[in-house]
Amino acid sequence: EVQLVESGGGLVQPGRSLKLSCLASGFTFSNYGMNWIRQAPGKGLEWVASISSSSSYIYYADTVKGRFTISRDNAKNTLYLQMTSLRSEDTALYYCARGGHWGQGVMVTVSS
Amino acid sequence: DVVMTQTPPSLSVAIGQSVSISCKSSQSLVYSDGKTYLHWLLQSPGRSPKRLIYQVSNLGSGVPDRFSGTGSQKDFTLKISRVEAEDLGVYYCAQTTHFPYTFGAGTKLELK
Repeated sequence: EVQLVESGGGLVQPGRSLKLSCLASGFTFSNYGMNWIRQAPGKGLEWVASISSSSSYIYYADTVKGRFTISRDNAKNTLYLQMTSLRSEDTALYYCARGGHWGQGVMVTVSS
Repeated sequence: DVVMTQTPPSLSVAIGQSVSISCKSSQSLVYSDGKTYLHWLLQSPGRSPKRLIYQVSNLGSGVPDRFSGTGSQKDFTLKISRVEAEDLGVYYCAQTTHFPYTFGAGTKLELK
């Protein structure tokens, strides 16, 4: 069974950094591209970033480009999202997703 | 960016009724490999999104055949035959043909 478990969220002040992790299991992680998608409270879905299976291709939404870094460690079956210079508008539930599979999400709140 | 226009924004239905949701994209969603990466998701209250249909018309794993997807190029439709209580929530269309990936604003399905 495919499982994606996010962690690393929390309350952080504007301008600070946070790193999210997504531990994958139930499939050969190194064979699949992965994605981060977020959902602000009461709002719709917003794609954040994607990374190919071998990290050769990486894409970002314009809203996070230059501030967020997606990466992966295939030996650890883990996807990461390093978030810097956080803003209040980054407050959201962050999901790790692969195809039709989504994690439960991890909440990031940016507030002073 | 590809704009996904989803209508209606909300639907009030009775159990057993059939409904359709429309999703129109601002450009063709046919990828260079000939496939169309248009998907439908359902987010039940308090839950992570679940993929119902992928690539226009393919049912996701475990998804009942009351759900069906049709369309091509820029015009797509999700049909739910005989709505059941478990179908309530917010439906999103999503395209993964072009970066940035984009989502429709959602259609909230409620009980009449």
